[in-house]
Amino acid sequence: SQTIHQWPATLVQPVGSPLSLECTVEGTSNPNLYWYRQAAGRGLQLLFYSVGIGQISSEVPQNLSASRPQDRQFILSSKKLLLSDSGFYLCAWSVIGPYEQYFGPGTRLTVT
Amino acid sequence: TQLLEQSPQFLSIQEGENLTVYCNSSSVFSSLQWYRQEPGEGPVLLVTVVTGGEVKKLKRLTFQFGDARKDSSLHITAAQPGDTGLYLCAGVKGGKLIFGQGTELSVKP
Repeated sequence: SQTIHQWPATLVQPVGSPLSLECTVEGTSNPNLYWYRQAAGRGLQLLFYSVGIGQISSEVPQNLSASRPQDRQFILSSKKLLLSDSGFYLCAWSVIGPYEQYFGPGTRLTVT
Repeated sequence: TQLLEQSPQFLSIQEGENLTVYCNSSSVFSSLQWYRQEPGEGPVLLVTVVTGGEVKKLKRLTFQFGDARKDSSLHITAAQPGDTGLYLCAGVKGGKLIFGQGTELSVKP
């Protein structure tokens, strides 16, 4: 069966510090991968998606970036965090296009 | 402007009551999905509806896709405290999954 992991689960970082969040998927090959941010437990905002290794599409201009160094690994990064980067970050995968996405447990990021 | 409007945004009911959550849009979707999310966890896919007028049942949950494929509803019969959570509808538009803002449901024992 397929599983998706995210770490860390929680993170408290000062403004201006770098960020690296990791997501890995097991049990499937060549998945579509997605990074979302959720503010205040409400709707999800798509940040990045990837249909293959090294292929990244950005949805929202910001100081975040994403990379996909391996087929089942997706990384969200920032060189300098802003207060507005605080939120709940979710990674997801799908098999066929953007349909029926399966989410990881999320990372709660607090920028102080 | 939200592409997918969910209503109500918040709902607090007693155990045993019935409820309906709505997901509306002016756009046509090829399919709509419903997710449920508990605090501090990722959303979990409940169902996908594809055909206009389609009705799917998942135990006490009934999902319906509008005939014109612009709206959907989720009906819960005899709600239980375990149904508490954030319910999100989502539809594919422009190759991306667009989420509504969610309905936060609280079922009190």
